[in-house]
Amino acid sequence: KQEVTQIPAALSVPEGENLVLNCSFTDSAIYNLQWFRQDPGKGLTSLLLIQSSQREQTSGRLNASLDKSSGRSTLYIAASQPGDSATYLCAATPPDSWGKLQFGAGTQVVVTP
Amino acid sequence: DTAVSQTPKYLVTQMGNDKSIKCEQNLGHDTMYWYKQDSKKFLKIMFSYNNKELIINETVPNRFSPKSPDKAHLNLHINSLELGDSAVYFCASSPGQGYNTGELFFGEGSRLTVL
Repeated sequence: KQEVTQIPAALSVPEGENLVLNCSFTDSAIYNLQWFRQDPGKGLTSLLLIQSSQREQTSGRLNASLDKSSGRSTLYIAASQPGDSATYLCAATPPDSWGKLQFGAGTQVVVTP
Repeated sequence: DTAVSQTPKYLVTQMGNDKSIKCEQNLGHDTMYWYKQDSKKFLKIMFSYNNKELIINETVPNRFSPKSPDKAHLNLHINSLELGDSAVYFCASSPGQGYNTGELFFGEGSRLTVL
């Protein structure tokens, strides 16, 4: 069974620093990996989707890499801003999926001004 | 325009009652889902529907009954509510089908509190 782990559980950085968020998964047979952002009391906002055939995806200050062989994905956020404060979740889509994503518990990020 | 909208946002009810949550998406997606986020913030899929057909029922008690009147709507009815049903329930949709359903879009969640 696929297990997804995100370490650390919480992270605090000063504004302007680059953020590095880690996601590891136990089964490399995934179709894609998705990164989400969740603000308190809100739903999940999709940030990046990396297909299994891709090594990385970029959107603005966000860059996500995928290494299936080592079971890891990393989300980089450049030049962090206080507005980046949120919980970031990764989710892996296993082969037997129909949207049955396996989520990590998330990394709670605080960016201090 | 909200892409995936669900109502109500908050429900507070007594044990044993029945409640419903409604979800609508205006993205033209074929596939819709219900996810549950428990107190430890883990998200787990409950149901997956494609074009009104149930695809996944992730061993959810049959007190939970989803209904999809059309592919833009997926409602969740819960009978005989129990304390352990307290959670945030998220509706989501995605464009794809089969094993690679593409990017998921989530609603804002419905927080259910059972007293």
